[in-house]
Amino acid sequence: GQNIDQPTEMTATEGAIVQINCTYQTSGFNGLFWYQQHAGEAPTFLSYNVLDGLEEKGRFSSFLSRSKGYSYLLLKELQMKDSASYLCAVRSTGGFKTIFGAGTRLFVKA
Amino acid sequence: NAGVTQTPKFRVLKTGQSMTLLCAQDMNHEYMYWYRQDPGMGLRLIHYSVGEGTTAKGEVPDGYNVSRLKKQNFLLGLESAAPSQTSVYFCASSPRLGGDTQYFGPGTRLLVL
Repeated sequence: GQNIDQPTEMTATEGAIVQINCTYQTSGFNGLFWYQQHAGEAPTFLSYNVLDGLEEKGRFSSFLSRSKGYSYLLLKELQMKDSASYLCAVRSTGGFKTIFGAGTRLFVKA
Repeated sequence: NAGVTQTPKFRVLKTGQSMTLLCAQDMNHEYMYWYRQDPGMGLRLIHYSVGEGTTAKGEVPDGYNVSRLKKQNFLLGLESAAPSQTSVYFCASSPRLGGDTQYFGPGTRLLVL
């Protein structure tokens, strides 16, 4: 079957670093996405990995290991505005299906 | 450049009523998608379209129909609404497959009583 697992909730302190993990089992693999979704709003794109390794983009980095079916999103220098849900999504081969995880709700406290 | 817009933002229906949700994008994207998002679950694909005049079923298509008569518009219809269709509906578009990200609309909150 196809499955994406990520923690339901996490809490971190302003200024700290937090790592959100995602494991997946899908029929084929054609890229992994991370989206950010603030409460009551639409998801917005954060990162895309198709090859193994780390992709860095400002305060956000995303890592992928295809052999382990594993990814993480690293958020540095946390800010209050980073309080949101973070969605891990995998595009399977065959193109049109992107499977989304349930999301990790991150709470940033002062 | 408005991106992806959805109409209406919120709607309450009685069981058995019908309605159409409208999605419009001004980015000239080929691909468009309809998802539903329920608490504790990920976004689930209802239907998608790879171009004007084409549609295909996604993961949870039952109870919904779609049409893509114009490239910029993608309509989602509920012929006979059921309480199980209470959800937040997101439309998305992307220029092509592969690594291209999807751009999401603001969502439509639907409550079926």
